[in-house]
Amino acid sequence: KNEVEQSPQNLTAQEGEFITINCSYSVGISALHWLQQHPGGGIVSLFMLSSGKKKHGRLIATINIQEKHSSLHITASHPRDSAVYICAVRGYGGSQGNLIFGKGTKLSVKP
Amino acid sequence: DGGITQSPKYLFRKEGQNVTLSCEQNLNHDAMYWYRQDPGQGLRLIYYSQIVNDFQKGDIAEGYSVSREKKESFPLTVTSAQKNPTAFYLCASSFQLSGTEGGKLFFGSGTQLSVL
Repeated sequence: KNEVEQSPQNLTAQEGEFITINCSYSVGISALHWLQQHPGGGIVSLFMLSSGKKKHGRLIATINIQEKHSSLHITASHPRDSAVYICAVRGYGGSQGNLIFGKGTKLSVKP
Repeated sequence: DGGITQSPKYLFRKEGQNVTLSCEQNLNHDAMYWYRQDPGQGLRLIYYSQIVNDFQKGDIAEGYSVSREKKESFPLTVTSAQKNPTAFYLCASSFQLSGTEGGKLFFGSGTQLSVL
């Protein structure tokens, strides 16, 4: 079983829809990252959080430490939001530099 | 503009050849990382470095080598010992280690390495 599971793997939405991407993890963590990877391959960090909720523009990230679960929400989705969204966690112990990455959720927003 | 630059964007390796991927950052970040991405898989850590002249192996370091002679630069060499090098390689940096408050990651645009 992967330590970081994302769902769904693929998601198609119509422009304007509210989107939720989920991330569940099985280890205790010190931080969780949400990343966005565009078709060209470059990755942008969206959020880093260890508790509660963060908002940036139309993006909202929440985390529930007790349930080991995080969600990324996109309000009023737009075709330019089409990308792969990746969840990554930093566990306690182990290699200091090591994040554990999910396999990503591929989002396609249709006009 | 501050950022992290990887080159080349595409690289081809012949059998038995060593190749080096470049990663340069002007963000004044202490920590730098190399990740490998294969289709349908999550990113996997190859090496990371917290400070100049120091680096640590990640999960899949075999067949790779790195150096950190300057704060700005963290080149990755894919040696002939790496038998399956075809992948997308991403370099990243952060002010501090990725799990700490200053650990927001900044990524380069990646290098696609293929075997001829």
